[in-house]
Amino acid sequence: DAGVIQSPRHEVTEMGQEVTLRCKPISGHNSLFWYRQTMMRGLELLIYFNNNVPIDDSGMPEDRFSAKMPNASFSTLKIQPSEPRDSAVYFCASSLAPSRQQFFGSGTRLTVV
Amino acid sequence: AQSVSQHNHHVILSEAASLELGCNYSYGGTVNLFWYVQYPGQHLQLLLKYFSGDPLVKGIKGFEAEFIKSKFSFNLRKPSVQWSDTAEYFCAVKPAGAYNTDKLIFGTGTRLQVFP
Repeated sequence: DAGVIQSPRHEVTEMGQEVTLRCKPISGHNSLFWYRQTMMRGLELLIYFNNNVPIDDSGMPEDRFSAKMPNASFSTLKIQPSEPRDSAVYFCASSLAPSRQQFFGSGTRLTVV
Repeated sequence: AQSVSQHNHHVILSEAASLELGCNYSYGGTVNLFWYVQYPGQHLQLLLKYFSGDPLVKGIKGFEAEFIKSKFSFNLRKPSVQWSDTAEYFCAVKPAGAYNTDKLIFGTGTRLQVFP
């Protein structure tokens, strides 16, 4: 299995632009998680889906952030408009079920200038 | 290897009793800590999380947890439980770090039954 696939690996964008991060979970996994990692705050769970349905989005910092999972094999995290403080590494993870061990993608490093 | 231990596998309480669920982890560095709850027939929900700062963390529904670094513990507490707190509770740990891609490690869970 290819594991969790995230794209792009790196994204540099100007403040105010829309950013879309993509994730393909491991085939057969029913749960998908989006995390943000910064030096100051460590790893934060932003939102997670189970069977394509958002279950807990309490970690989404602001309305500028939105996440979708239109089908079992694809999810997006969108930031619109982006701000410099959004610069971080964004990880996607998937698992067989919410309580099972999660497998992480390689992350997307976002830099907003 | 990192691991998470929840020593209480099954807890039975009456309403209004106080609750404390134990969680210990094995990892020498900085960690992020979580408690999740799974109500019967539902999926995991985040109760509370700790990253840094005040080691006493307040969560939803009156739950709180205290991070004691010297004891590698992150016990969950609630002063007075309700019947609706009947659920399974999972502690989770993840080593912190800018480029750390380790998995989130869950404990085996504690089943809480509250009787009216």
